[in-house]
Amino acid sequence: NAGVTQTPKFRVLKTGQSMTLLCAQDMNHEYMYWYRQDPGMGLRLIHYSVGEGTTAKGEVPDGYNVSRLKKQNFLLGLESAAPSQTSVYFCASSLREFYEQYFGPGTRLTVT
Amino acid sequence: TQLLEQSPQFLSIQEGENLTVYCNSSSVFSSLQWYRQEPGEGPVLLVTVVTGGEVKKLKRLTFQFGDARKDSSLHITAAQPGDTGLYLCAGFSGNTPLVFGKGTRLSVIA
Repeated sequence: NAGVTQTPKFRVLKTGQSMTLLCAQDMNHEYMYWYRQDPGMGLRLIHYSVGEGTTAKGEVPDGYNVSRLKKQNFLLGLESAAPSQTSVYFCASSLREFYEQYFGPGTRLTVT
Repeated sequence: TQLLEQSPQFLSIQEGENLTVYCNSSSVFSSLQWYRQEPGEGPVLLVTVVTGGEVKKLKRLTFQFGDARKDSSLHITAAQPGDTGLYLCAGFSGNTPLVFGKGTRLSVIA
């Protein structure tokens, strides 16, 4: 039982490049979330999903897109990376909405 | 906008000491969750409190939810180096996404 996994663990992008972060969970959770964590800012919600095929905006959605084509996977895309998107990205899942979330190990992204 | 203020921001103590960290808001929450995050890892859930005045214990950690469900505290007895980490509180009101505080970074020195 792996829980929540994220790939890749580290990535360096140049401004304007695109990439997709993959999150997978094996707990059959309906709810999945993407957060970013920056020094002094805490965890901020980017997008979330309340079930397969659904997505919703969080606190800081601009510059990101998401897709939930399969229940176990939640993808976060950056179409044109900017230095302001340098951050650590965490995926999480839960059985009930915003209740007792299980987090992945994070992806450290640097945009130069 | 709902805000959760955590205090102190940083805390450095000797092994064996007791400590309390606080999580305060002007908003009412239906539940409040505490997480611990170690360097390079994702947050791990410690406890969820849902009833005003509720007290939950997890070994040497005691969590309390305020009577008005606007604040919470975490008390650690006889802290150990393994307690070192970032402690995050997160509140859920039921009609808006989970709100995280910025955390208290605890360092326990042997």
